[in-house]
Amino acid sequence: EAQVTQNPRYLITVTGKKLTVTCSQNMNHEYMSWYRQDPGLGLRQIYYSMNVEVTDKGDVPEGYKVSRKEKRNFPLILESPSPNQTSLYFCASSFGITRTSYNEQFFGPGTRLTVL
Amino acid sequence: QKEVEQNSGPLSVPEGAIASLNCTYSDRGSQSFFWYRQYSGKSPELIMSIYSNGDKEDGRFTAQLNKASQYVSLLIRDSQPSDSATYLCAVNKGTGNQFYFGTGTSLTVIP
Repeated sequence: EAQVTQNPRYLITVTGKKLTVTCSQNMNHEYMSWYRQDPGLGLRQIYYSMNVEVTDKGDVPEGYKVSRKEKRNFPLILESPSPNQTSLYFCASSFGITRTSYNEQFFGPGTRLTVL
Repeated sequence: QKEVEQNSGPLSVPEGAIASLNCTYSDRGSQSFFWYRQYSGKSPELIMSIYSNGDKEDGRFTAQLNKASQYVSLLIRDSQPSDSATYLCAVNKGTGNQFYFGTGTSLTVIP
């Protein structure tokens, strides 16, 4: 089944404790992205990756890191989480970005993160 | 100015009616436009994509794009209670690799 998976689905942690949220897709997609969703603010892009070893900042990258060592995986790293990073996080992927119809994004199930 | 704006609603329509959802965007050079449906606590699900001016129909859904007015809409015909969800409008600018989402419109279809 074609899908985007995220782990964990739920996470409660404390301020300053490093964490990683994994994202994996099995559709051979080149483009992958991380979003956070907050009430009243909608979905905001954190980081995206055009391909392996190619990553760039979205609108709200502060406090986050990413890496793209393999095509299928795009982990989100919070080196020192703070309470303002409490949010619902989504990973998404698409075939590409430069051609229309290729840039339809498909989303993972989401990770609800609470930082105390 | 926000990149993408939607009326947050809530929008209520009776079962069987047409629901009309609207979205405006700020960058005139935007090339790709998407509508997603999101049920409470779930991930966004792609409903429609549209890239050129005019209408695009898929089953009960019709997306309409007017680039001159920087306006995208989604019509849902014969609305069903299962259509009750939040609908997100998203835009990909032609000059960049980012996506911008509106804050969503909450739709309730009343049986």
